[in-house]
Amino acid sequence: QKEVEQNSGPLSVPEGAIASLNCTYSDRGSQSFFWYRQYSGKSPELIMFIYSNGDKEDGRFTAQLNKASQYVSLLIRDSQPSDSATYLCAVCPGGTSYGKLTFGQGTILTVHP
Amino acid sequence: EPEVTQTPSHQVTQMGQEVILRCVPISNHLYFYWYRQILGQKVEFLVSFYNNEISEKSEIFDDQFSVERPDGSNFTLKIRSTKLEDSAMYFCASSESRVRVYFGPGTRLTVL
Repeated sequence: QKEVEQNSGPLSVPEGAIASLNCTYSDRGSQSFFWYRQYSGKSPELIMFIYSNGDKEDGRFTAQLNKASQYVSLLIRDSQPSDSATYLCAVCPGGTSYGKLTFGQGTILTVHP
Repeated sequence: EPEVTQTPSHQVTQMGQEVILRCVPISNHLYFYWYRQILGQKVEFLVSFYNNEISEKSEIFDDQFSVERPDGSNFTLKIRSTKLEDSAMYFCASSESRVRVYFGPGTRLTVL
């Protein structure tokens, strides 16, 4: 069973702080890794994707991947109340077609003013 | 910005009835997907579709489920005989490159 695990939270951070979200995956052959944001009652919205070990930055967001440790994280700098949502880690497992994503259960993030 | 659209937004049906959920993927996308999310649970992959055929499906996608692209714009998911446990939010998604997967707003299916 190929699993993606996240701490369900909730994670509460003050406005302006850095929020750190973590994810581990079981399939060592996984090829690509995604972070989605999901507001309550809405659909997942792609924030970032990463393929290679290391960091990838996009605005206030930084994704980090460590394939040896089977670990991917998302840092949100200067957190805003509008960032309050559930953050879903998704992995494209090895040996499958791209687009077949395995999701974690999500981490609830609350940014308080 | 182009979006995936889905209709209806909420479908209520009786157990044993057939339902068809409809989606219009983003126009230049070639890869289409259905996912579902039972309330409070993970988003789960159901099926992927490319070049007018299923490319991959999950264990959830049994004989009660089927997908179709009846014309150049629509993509449908049919559940032949709904069960209580089919109650979920169903998301259609599409992708141009199989990398960025864009989700529609979802159809909430309630089976009574």
